[in-house]
Amino acid sequence: GAVVSQHPSRVICKSGTSVKIECRSLDFQATTMFWYRQFPKQSLMLMATSNEGSKATYEQGVEKDKFLINHASLTLSTLTVTSAHPEDSSFYICSARQFGTLSNEKLFFGSGTQLSVL
Amino acid sequence: SQQGEEDPQALSIQEGENATMNCSYKTSINNLQWYRQNSGRGLVHLILIRSNEREKHSGRLRVTLDTSKKSSSLLITASRAADTASYFCAMTNFGNEKLTFGTGTRLTIIP
Repeated sequence: GAVVSQHPSRVICKSGTSVKIECRSLDFQATTMFWYRQFPKQSLMLMATSNEGSKATYEQGVEKDKFLINHASLTLSTLTVTSAHPEDSSFYICSARQFGTLSNEKLFFGSGTQLSVL
Repeated sequence: SQQGEEDPQALSIQEGENATMNCSYKTSINNLQWYRQNSGRGLVHLILIRSNEREKHSGRLRVTLDTSKKSSSLLITASRAADTASYFCAMTNFGNEKLTFGTGTRLTIIP
């Protein structure tokens, strides 16, 4: 099956620094990738939809200047948490939709990134 | 906004027993999917059921969908310790590509 690689799996950083998370589709092209945030024992909340070659679409309440998304190729999307603060500590997960597939009938997920901001 | 409500929130059963978890939603859907998440990991797609389907099977999994009640259930038969995980329903609405997730059920299988 299709594989989505997400790195790093865990990152600890100081408050005020920026952290970049990468999401790569390893064996397929992904025109659309999604970024989710998940708090402990809670559901996934969609943050933004990333389309290759265009600006990301952010969900209501998500600061686009805080969470920078770049989808420069068909296999890579990045999420940068800028000037991170302790309240940004969370589990971030990306998912990818395979090029040519209809709707979101089956998404492939990365293994997630646990961000801890001190 | 559309978000599935799952119950129970947590479920503990003995290995070998069947596990049933339910998902209810608010607005009409295009399809409904079930995903599994092991602790601290990403999600794995389990099964998809379309709005015009009522039941689907995949191995030890059985999914039902009742669009009149806006609900779905996931049954795992003959549970195994490896089934211990969180299970999420997720749905898409007509004309909206976004996949929204339910609140999740934490399943623990006791050996």
